[in-house]
Amino acid sequence: NAGVTQTPKFQVLKTGQSMTLQCAQDMNHEYMSWYRQDPGMGLRLIHYSVGAGITDQGEVPNGYNVSRSTTEDFPLRLLSAAPSQTSVYFCASSYQRGVGEQYFGPGTRLTVT
Amino acid sequence: GEDVEQSLFLSVREGDSSVINCTYTDSSSTYLYWYKQEPGAGLQLLTYIFSNMDMKQDQRLTVLLNKKDKHLSLRIADTQTGDSAIYFCAENEGSGNTGKLIFGQGTTLQVKP
Repeated sequence: NAGVTQTPKFQVLKTGQSMTLQCAQDMNHEYMSWYRQDPGMGLRLIHYSVGAGITDQGEVPNGYNVSRSTTEDFPLRLLSAAPSQTSVYFCASSYQRGVGEQYFGPGTRLTVT
Repeated sequence: GEDVEQSLFLSVREGDSSVINCTYTDSSSTYLYWYKQEPGAGLQLLTYIFSNMDMKQDQRLTVLLNKKDKHLSLRIADTQTGDSAIYFCAENEGSGNTGKLIFGQGTTLQVKP
């Protein structure tokens, strides 16, 4: 199993540009989520999904869109990048039963200038 | 809403014990977790405790849970320089296992040789 994969690893955008951060998992996990990590603020949940076709907002959803057309993929779209979206973005997935351990991807470091 | 709080920084000498503390608000959580994040990497599950347990020991790691005070701690015995990382406390949201976790801000552990 590859686990949770994220692309790209690094990205620089100009203000106003749009882009999609990719996330995929091969563990047949129902639950997938996107977090952003900023210094001193821990992990903040952006959007999450409990299964294909179902998404919901987390703590900081503004400026981001998601979709979940398949169990494996959960892309995060930045509609019009702003400097406040400079952050490290992590995708995670888990089963909804049992211990519920979340498996994290390696992260995407995004800079918006 | 649910909240998880941690102190931000802890510094210890190599060979000493480290104790990282966490408080949480959701008394219906089924599991509580400790994740470790090494520099430049995603989070990895270190250990977890079921909410009806008081203590769990796993080699150098001891987790203590005080449900009455909603207090969780992680003790690392014989701390090594390789233990330097950010440690996140997390609880699953509610009593049902949706997969959604609430994370604390993270405690940076610095181990001095």
